[in-house]
Amino acid sequence: GQSLEQPSEVTAVEGAIVQINCTYQTSGFYGLSWYQQHDGGAPTFLSYNALDGLEETGRFSSFLSRSDSYGYLLLQELQMKDSASYFCAVSNQAGTALIFGKGTTLSVSS
Amino acid sequence: DTEVTQTPKHLVMGMTNKKSLKCEQHMGHRAMYWYKQKAKKPPELMFVYSYEKLSINESVPSRFSPECPNSSLLNLHLHALQPEDSALYLCASSQGQLNTEAFFGQGTRLTVV
Repeated sequence: GQSLEQPSEVTAVEGAIVQINCTYQTSGFYGLSWYQQHDGGAPTFLSYNALDGLEETGRFSSFLSRSDSYGYLLLQELQMKDSASYFCAVSNQAGTALIFGKGTTLSVSS
Repeated sequence: DTEVTQTPKHLVMGMTNKKSLKCEQHMGHRAMYWYKQKAKKPPELMFVYSYEKLSINESVPSRFSPECPNSSLLNLHLHALQPEDSALYLCASSQGQLNTEAFFGQGTRLTVV
């Protein structure tokens, strides 16, 4: 089966940089995705890495190392609105749906 | 239009009631999903529809019955639910089976009394 590990909570101040790590064990691997979810809101897609390396999208970057079964989400120039839950996710064994990690709650203070 | 629309937003139902949750997308996506999310937990996969056919049922109790009338619509029929079924029910869609980016609806907050 698929399993993912990520820290349960991270705290930071505005303007700081935060890295949320994710390690995974999968039967079949297609790529690692990251989703953001604000309280009461829907999960929204942030990034996807299928190959090793860093993907940058504005203030957010995501990294993948397939050999280490490891990835991270890097959030720069943190803002209060970045306070949310962040989930890493992989496809299920059949590659037909997302399986989510337990999520990391990020709290950004001023 | 990159929206997945779910109705109703909130639903309170008794354990003997029958109700349905609805989900609609007009992005031409051929895969649609139901997830269940409890507070402070990740979304848990319930069902996957691919090209309007049920492809995955993650051992969900029969009191939950999915239906995909066409490629844009997904329903979840509820009957004889238990209080522990109270949760946020999320619908999602994606381009195809290999799921890179999924679009989620805002969810239906279900309370079973």
